Amino acid sequence: GQQVMQIPQYQHVQEGEDFTTYCNSSTTLSNIQWYKQRPGGHPVFLIQLVKSGEVKKQKRLTFQFGEAKKNSSLHITATQTTDVGTYFCAGEPSSGSARQLTFGSGTQLTVLP
Amino acid sequence: SQTIHQWPATLVQPVGSPLSLECTVEGTSNPNLYWYRQAAGRGLQLLFYSVGIGQISSEVPQNLSASRPQDRQFILSSKKLLLSDSGFYLCAWSRTVSNSPLHFGNGTRLTVT
Repeated sequence: GQQVMQIPQYQHVQEGEDFTTYCNSSTTLSNIQWYKQRPGGHPVFLIQLVKSGEVKKQKRLTFQFGEAKKNSSLHITATQTTDVGTYFCAGEPSSGSARQLTFGSGTQLTVLP
Repeated sequence: SQTIHQWPATLVQPVGSPLSLECTVEGTSNPNLYWYRQAAGRGLQLLFYSVGIGQISSEVPQNLSASRPQDRQFILSSKKLLLSDSGFYLCAWSRTVSNSPLHFGNGTRLTVT
């Protein structure tokens, strides 16, 4: 079945440093979604990428979808303590629906003040 | 606007006891509904999903079951809990179209003792 690998598992950064998490799928995706889960909270949808090579920005967050639609990345510029949490990617296969969304294992970000 | 309610927030149950977690969605009709489990520090594992009343699909064989007695109500149950059932249980909904993001409830933190 479809597998979605996400690295790194953990990342500690000093406040103000940049952060990147990477996501790779074993199969071609129709779209990839990114979620953020604050400590003790539930995952919250951030964004969805659909087109090959797509790049989207949300303030300091930049999301990319690979040309082959099998990988994606999330880059945070100048991290802040409010960025703390676990970031998950979730891929939907080309022939699937939301019920076939496969989550990566997440990257837990710690921002040191 | 749509809202999702999940309760209880925390639960401590002895091994062998029954379980019933409830989730309701407001503000939308005929949503896809999901139950996920998240072990401590791990990713999200899809347990069940439902595309309509009485329609339940299981992703992982286990001693848990799910039911959808009403359009916007999703229930997770067990007749006899195991220690390994401990975890963070999340209910989620999405629209029925593909590429639709998931919207999670606040989750139930279950500890089986």
